[in-house]
Amino acid sequence: AQTVTQSQPEMSVQEAETVTLSCTYDTSESDYYLFWYKQPPSRQMILVIRQEAYKQQNATENRFSVNFQKAAKSFSLKISDSQLGDAAMYFCAYRFGGSNYKLTFGKGTLLTVNP
Amino acid sequence: SQTIHQWPATLVQPVGSPLSLECTVEGTSNPNLYWYRQAAGRGLQLLFYSVGIGQISSEVPQNLSASRPQDRQFILSSKKLLLSDSGFYLCALAVAYNEQFFGPGTRLTVL
Repeated sequence: AQTVTQSQPEMSVQEAETVTLSCTYDTSESDYYLFWYKQPPSRQMILVIRQEAYKQQNATENRFSVNFQKAAKSFSLKISDSQLGDAAMYFCAYRFGGSNYKLTFGKGTLLTVNP
Repeated sequence: SQTIHQWPATLVQPVGSPLSLECTVEGTSNPNLYWYRQAAGRGLQLLFYSVGIGQISSEVPQNLSASRPQDRQFILSSKKLLLSDSGFYLCALAVAYNEQFFGPGTRLTVL
């Protein structure tokens, strides 16, 4: 079974600084997708960024970028120029290509942004 | 664009009472729908998913059941709630680019 591990239960960053959240996953599949979701205090799950495993180029969305290391099964999220609104729980998620879109989530990393 | 409604937003129920949580979606047809539970301090656990009316797949054995009576309606139920059923329940649908779009959730407290 696929598993997703987020080894950092909590992280903190100063406003305007950069922070990296870690995620590793375990799979024997070659066709899969990886996601980072953000859950602010409102608890609404918001997609931050996605990565297709077949793409070598790391995904980027404005201040958010990933470091996808397929061989190492690592998928970290980098947040640049951190803002107070980035404070949230961040979840890494995995989807197998043929799995009816089912997602497997990590346990999350709580990010605090200090002014 | 898609919209997900979840009702109720908050619910406090005694142990042993029945449960019915409703999820309705707009802006799409024949969606794949999902129920997740988020326990305190933990990630999301997939409970059920449905690829069409009357089609339910269960991911984990538990005290809950799901039904999909209409294309855009997904219901999570229980005949008798347990303390361990407390949590935050999220409904989601599959959208383009392989991700899932989530509803606002229902906070359930079982006392």
